[in-house]
Amino acid sequence: KQEVTQIPAALSVPEGENLVLNCSFTDSAIYNLQWFRQDPGKGLTSLLLIQSSQREQTSGRLNASLDKSSGRSTLYIAASQPGDSATYLCAVKPLDYKLSFGAGTTVTVRA
Amino acid sequence: NAGVTQTPKFQVLKTGQSMTLQCAQDMNHNSMYWYRQDPGMGLRLIYYSASEGTTDKGEVPNGYNVSRLNKREFSLRLESAAPSQTSVYFCASSPDQTSGIKETQYFGPGTRLLVL
Repeated sequence: KQEVTQIPAALSVPEGENLVLNCSFTDSAIYNLQWFRQDPGKGLTSLLLIQSSQREQTSGRLNASLDKSSGRSTLYIAASQPGDSATYLCAVKPLDYKLSFGAGTTVTVRA
Repeated sequence: NAGVTQTPKFQVLKTGQSMTLQCAQDMNHNSMYWYRQDPGMGLRLIYYSASEGTTDKGEVPNGYNVSRLNKREFSLRLESAAPSQTSVYFCASSPDQTSGIKETQYFGPGTRLLVL
């Protein structure tokens, strides 16, 4: 069974600092890995999707890397802003197509 | 274009009561999903429907039933609610569950359920 772990569970940084969020998974047989953002009381919004054949994906200030062989992904958010405060979840799509989610990292960016 | 909508947004039930959570999508997606989210845990799949007319169990199906009413709508029913079913429930949809490597899921805003 695929297990997805996100450490740390919570993170607080001052505005302007770069954020580094980690995700690890136990089974490297995946189609893709996604990072989602969840605001309090809201649903999930997809931020980045990395295919299993890719090493990284970028969108604006966000960059996600994938090392499938070691079962790790990292989400980098450059020059953090208070608006980046949210919970970030990673999810892998294994070969049975059913997403497996981590519990998330809750980020607070202090102004 | 509303995306994925869910009703109700909040609900309080007593143990043993029944209720149905409604979900609809207007993106012409084939596949729909129900998840629950509990504190400190990732989203867990309850049931999914790969296409209209089909439903399958996910990781935590016990105590739930689903109906894929048509291509747009996918409902989740609790026949006899238990306190362990207190959670936030999310519905999601995607173009095609098995279409492959680039596909993402689109999520509704969630239903917050408290069972006393």
